[in-house]
Amino acid sequence: KAGVTQTPRYLIKTRGQQVTLSCSPISGHRSVSWYQQTPGQGLQFLFEYFSETQRNKGNFPGRFSGRQFSNSRSEMNVSTLELGDSALYLCASSLVSGNQETQYFGPGTRLLVL
Amino acid sequence: AQSVTQLDSQVPVFEEAPVELRCNYSSSVSVYLFWYVQYPNQGLQLLLKYLSGSTLVKGINGFEAEFNKSQTSFHLRKPSVHISDTAEYFCAVSAPGGTSYGKLTFGQGTILTVHP
Repeated sequence: KAGVTQTPRYLIKTRGQQVTLSCSPISGHRSVSWYQQTPGQGLQFLFEYFSETQRNKGNFPGRFSGRQFSNSRSEMNVSTLELGDSALYLCASSLVSGNQETQYFGPGTRLLVL
Repeated sequence: AQSVTQLDSQVPVFEEAPVELRCNYSSSVSVYLFWYVQYPNQGLQLLLKYLSGSTLVKGINGFEAEFNKSQTSFHLRKPSVHISDTAEYFCAVSAPGGTSYGKLTFGQGTILTVHP
């Protein structure tokens, strides 16, 4: 079974632009979580989607948004990019939405904001 | 709210030596505990998890961890490390309840470097 895939793997943007990242979960998984990883702040939870509904959200500004489609694929969008948004963005999928569920991570999208 | 503290940011060790990576957590409720490993330019891979039951959990690649509720710890151990174990290791917690759906709270990571 194929793992979690994320596209693109690398991205360079300039301040003020917006970006959309894509995540395809493992087949059959219905929950997708997004995380931001930076050297300074570590791994931080952005949001989680299950059955096209956002069920949980981390402490990030409204410039960070996401959505999930009926096939469980998810996208996250960052508008008005800032230098501090440079990070590795990881998505993870799990079979269902739950606290005990194992999250399977993709390789990430590395975003550089200039 | 939950928090995780990984007590060592870097752990150097020689090949075939034992290693322990320390993790303490803080929570007002019972938690589920996880250890993940991240190799360079890759995502995170689950090593093991504790949900309930036996406090000694065995995972992949010869790793194991012990849950100690009284000390709120979940230390990761391996009796004999290999060069290929060089990576960054993350301890994480999740808590029951709707506000924690899909959310893992991670420690800051421990970089394990195995020297020949």
